[in-house]
Amino acid sequence: QVQLEQWGAGLLKPSETLSLTCAVYGGSFSDYYWSWIRQPAGKGLEWIGEINHSGSTKYNPSLKSRVTVSVDTSKNRFSLKLSSVTAADTAVYYCARRSNPIDYWGQGTLVTVSS
Amino acid sequence: DIVLTQSPLSLPVTPGEPASISCRSSQSLLDTNGYNYFNWYLQKPGQSPQLLIYWGSNRASGVSDRFSGSGSGTDFTLKISRVETEDVGVYYCMQALQTPITFGQGTRLDIK
Repeated sequence: QVQLEQWGAGLLKPSETLSLTCAVYGGSFSDYYWSWIRQPAGKGLEWIGEINHSGSTKYNPSLKSRVTVSVDTSKNRFSLKLSSVTAADTAVYYCARRSNPIDYWGQGTLVTVSS
Repeated sequence: DIVLTQSPLSLPVTPGEPASISCRSSQSLLDTNGYNYFNWYLQKPGQSPQLLIYWGSNRASGVSDRFSGSGSGTDFTLKISRVETEDVGVYYCMQALQTPITFGQGTRLDIK
């Protein structure tokens, strides 16, 4: 049984850096891309970026200048950093496993950006 | 970016009645390997999205056979043969042919 457990700071001030981590339990870590997706309250899903076990990354061009996704294969974990946050970055952030399709999702972390 | 357009955006349904959601892509999602890189998800209230259909027409493990997916290329449809109260939520289509991965706007299914 595959489980994704995510954590990180839930309240940030504008200009700070968002930092989230996702741990993967069960299944292969090397056969997939590991993704981050976000969802503002009451709105749709936006793919942020992803990484594979060898560290190859892909990012959404709309966020690329502020996003870093990293991986720690020794712990089966991957992380998201989003710099210079504003109120527009307030959302629930999900980690997820992807080949095609995205088949497992984390529980979601609400990140609020407010002064 | 590949744009996915869902219709309708709101879908009130009487329990026991069928329902259908359409998703149109701005470009073909049929890869040279013969697979459509297209999936359907349901996000129930307060939950993470859950996979319903992958490769356009394959039901995910544990998904009721009331759900079926069809289509190829740019036009896809999700059908629910008989809606139940547990089917309430927002349905999203998603493409994974190329990055950035993109989602449709979502279709909210409610019970009449």
